[in-house]
Amino acid sequence: DAKTTQPTSMDCAEGRAANLPCNHSTISGNEYVYWYRQIHSQGPQYIIHGLKNNETNEMASLIITEDRKSSTLILPHATLRDTAVYYCIVSPLTGNQFYFGTGTSLTVIP
Amino acid sequence: GAGVSQSPSNKVTEKGKDVELRCDPISGHTALYWYRQSLGQGLEFLIYFQGNSAPDKSGLPSDRFSAERTGGSVSTLTIQRTQQEDSAVYLCASRSDRGRLKTQYFGPGTRLLVL
Repeated sequence: DAKTTQPTSMDCAEGRAANLPCNHSTISGNEYVYWYRQIHSQGPQYIIHGLKNNETNEMASLIITEDRKSSTLILPHATLRDTAVYYCIVSPLTGNQFYFGTGTSLTVIP
Repeated sequence: GAGVSQSPSNKVTEKGKDVELRCDPISGHTALYWYRQSLGQGLEFLIYFQGNSAPDKSGLPSDRFSAERTGGSVSTLTIQRTQQEDSAVYLCASRSDRGRLKTQYFGPGTRLLVL
């Protein structure tokens, strides 16, 4: 079973920041928060992951609350190509199973 | 560099036939996963290979499903006596256990349609 809860869908205006929330209240101390996205008809693509500190890379920023029970993925300037399903996953670093759940369907609107 | 590749990209078969799906992971990646994604659904874990360890088969939905990984590289997922409910996209991913970024890299998937 997925250990995360995400909204089913969200819209975002093109050029604005997209903030995608995820709840993971039962996260364990050795579990990381991973974000992947899946553009229609493609395999999932890794975005970012973190343990407890906020992380930033060329694609996105990950904000993890101090108690680690929730996190937010931020796409700073959403483009139409960011329209995809975004999956939040918690797993140990070398976990043997990734529970993808149903994710958040993000639609970027022109 | 080469990513994860899967073949065939599409497969149409008749109910009751056996099918084999192939995954070529990224060279040097020790971990390999198979997932299934039905239309409009999230990914369903099927099986996990890690080096020479016994695979984690806990996600296989029935004994009609099996997978092997030869020489720690190429993997084959076999579905025997296919059923219509087996129709889905079958995704393979590989992961390196070296370096900090231990993430899964996915192939494009094989779209299986059982008539």
